[in-house]
Parts: sequence; structure tokens; C-alpha cells
Amino acid sequence: ELKVEQNPLFLSMQEGKNYTIYCNYSTTSDRLYWYRQDPGKSLESLFVLLSNGAVKQEGRLMASLDTKARLSTLHITAAVHDLSATYFCAVEPSGTYKYIFGTGTRLKVLA
Amino acid sequence: SAVISQKPSRDICQRGTSLTIQCQVDSQVTMMFWYRQQPGQSLTLIATANQGSEATYESGFVIDKFPISRPNLTFSTLTVSNMSPEDSSIYLCSGGSGWGMNTEAFFGQGTRLTVV
Repeated sequence: ELKVEQNPLFLSMQEGKNYTIYCNYSTTSDRLYWYRQDPGKSLESLFVLLSNGAVKQEGRLMASLDTKARLSTLHITAAVHDLSATYFCAVEPSGTYKYIFGTGTRLKVLA
Repeated sequence: SAVISQKPSRDICQRGTSLTIQCQVDSQVTMMFWYRQQPGQSLTLIATANQGSEATYESGFVIDKFPISRPNLTFSTLTVSNMSPEDSSIYLCSGGSGWGMNTEAFFGQGTRLTVV
């Protein structure tokens, strides 16, 4: 059974600080996605990582994928309050469009 | 990219009743899926909605509780049957098409269900 684990589950950080969220998965996959979810809202697509070594950046967020280690990271640089949300990674067994979601990381950025 | 619309966006239902959620995509998609997100939890895949045939359910989900229809390539419904408070969740549909370096599935805005 494919398992996707994120850590930490909860993260409270000060504005201006850096931090990394980790996403580990248990089977071979070269497609991984990061989403943001605000309370009461649906999913907002952040990054699509489609190959080993993929790195993408948008604003203060940067995501990377290491398929050999079965690990993806979401790095937050100089956090701001607006980044407070829950972040999910999702792994897609090749070619299925079925997403297996991670446990989620609830991020709170303190002013 | 496809746009996925769900109806209703939210509902409050009495236990023992059933609710049907509709999912409409603005273009044909090969694959459609239904997910459940219980309060404070991650998303769990319920089933793959197969066009013209019975849905494929994931472990822990059964057709009698979550019947799914998909009459064509742009529309699907999920029914939550004989509801109990434990069914209170957000239900999301997603769709995807083609296969390539830049393809991904798209998600509806979700249906927030509260069972009282």
C-alpha cells in the first residue's frame, strides 16, 4: 500500500524565518504535487514535479523532488503571515491520475 | 486546464437520508475521481468513476454506501447514502486527461456536507 507521510504535521514559525516541509512516500513514483488549502476552501495547486531532480520556485516557496530517495521538500524562505495554510503533497502512481495525499502540514506564521 | 464545478457547494442533511453531489467538467476528461476529506484530515480517494461502467472503489469504500455514476466524459455524480454524522466531510471530485510532462488532475471546489 502506498503511503505518503509529511512532517512536521504542525508548524508554527515566526515571520522572516526559513523552514522546510518534508514529504516521504513508500513506492516508486516520478510525479509529485504540492497543494495549499486555506480553511474552508478547496485545493490550490502550487507545484507540479514530474521528474527526478525537479526544482520549482514561486515567490517564497521552493519545491524539489528526489525520486531515488522518495522524498520531496517544500522550502519556505522568509515566511510571511499570508503563507499560513495547510500544505499537502500528493503522489501519483505513474499514469493513473489517482493522487495519494500526504497527511498535510498545518503552517501558522506568527507576525 | 479544465474547470470543474460541483453542486451543491454545501448542504446540511438529516441522518438516514441520501445526498447526490454533481461534478461537471468543462471539457472531456479521461479520468474522474472522488475524494473525501474528513474534518482536520487529509484527502482520501473514494473511487475512480468509470465512464459507462461501475466505479472502482478503494479499500474501505463500497458501492452501496457511495454509488457513483458517470454517464459521459464530462459528468459524474456521487451519492452518500443513509448518512450518519460520521459522513460529515468535504467531498471533492477531480479529473484528468491525456498523459504528458505537463498534465495534472484538476479539482472541484468541493461539497461541504454536514449530517445532523
